[in-house]
Amino acid sequence: GEDVEQSLFLSVREGDSSVINCTYTDSSSTYLYWYKQEPGAGLQLLTYIFSNMDMKQDQRLTVLLNKKDKHLSLRIADTQTGDSAIYFCAVGMSGYSTLTFGKGTMLLVSP
Amino acid sequence: SQTIHQWPATLVQPVGSPLSLECTVEGTSNPNLYWYRQAAGRGLQLLFYSVGIGQISSEVPQNLSASRPQDRQFILSSKKLLLSDSGFYLCAWSPSLARANTDTQYFGPGTRLTVL
Repeated sequence: GEDVEQSLFLSVREGDSSVINCTYTDSSSTYLYWYKQEPGAGLQLLTYIFSNMDMKQDQRLTVLLNKKDKHLSLRIADTQTGDSAIYFCAVGMSGYSTLTFGKGTMLLVSP
Repeated sequence: SQTIHQWPATLVQPVGSPLSLECTVEGTSNPNLYWYRQAAGRGLQLLFYSVGIGQISSEVPQNLSASRPQDRQFILSSKKLLLSDSGFYLCAWSPSLARANTDTQYFGPGTRLTVL
């Protein structure tokens, strides 16, 4: 089955850019997602990208997809302390009802 | 717009007691519904999902069960809780495949369960 891997921890200073990386194994994956989880809360959908796209930008967020390497990244520009959270990568396939989630990357933003 | 509710928000239960967690979705019809557990290690474990009333798929064998008595209601139950059932339980919904081209899932606020 699909396997999704993420680094567990990332620490940056306020104002810097953050890059969170994710790799997956199934080249048939069609939809790739980034979710954000703040302490004690549910997961909030940040953005998603279709497999026929290379890049998607949404305000401070930029998603890059390298299908050849099966690598997905989330760049947060001008990172703020409010961006401190756990970020989950998830992948899905057209026609299937379930997603496969990574274990999450904890982003810590220091002032 | 669609909203998803979970209750209770927190629960402390003794070992061996029963459990019932409820999830309801508003503003959509015939959603796919999901139960996840998030333990201390942070990863999400898919427990059950449902594509329609009375249709439940179990991903992990355990002492938990799920039911979908109504289109937008999903219930997670146990007859006898174990210490290992402690965790953060998340419910999610997605549009049915007949209605959407993506599998985007939208999560509820979660229930924190502590089994003592």
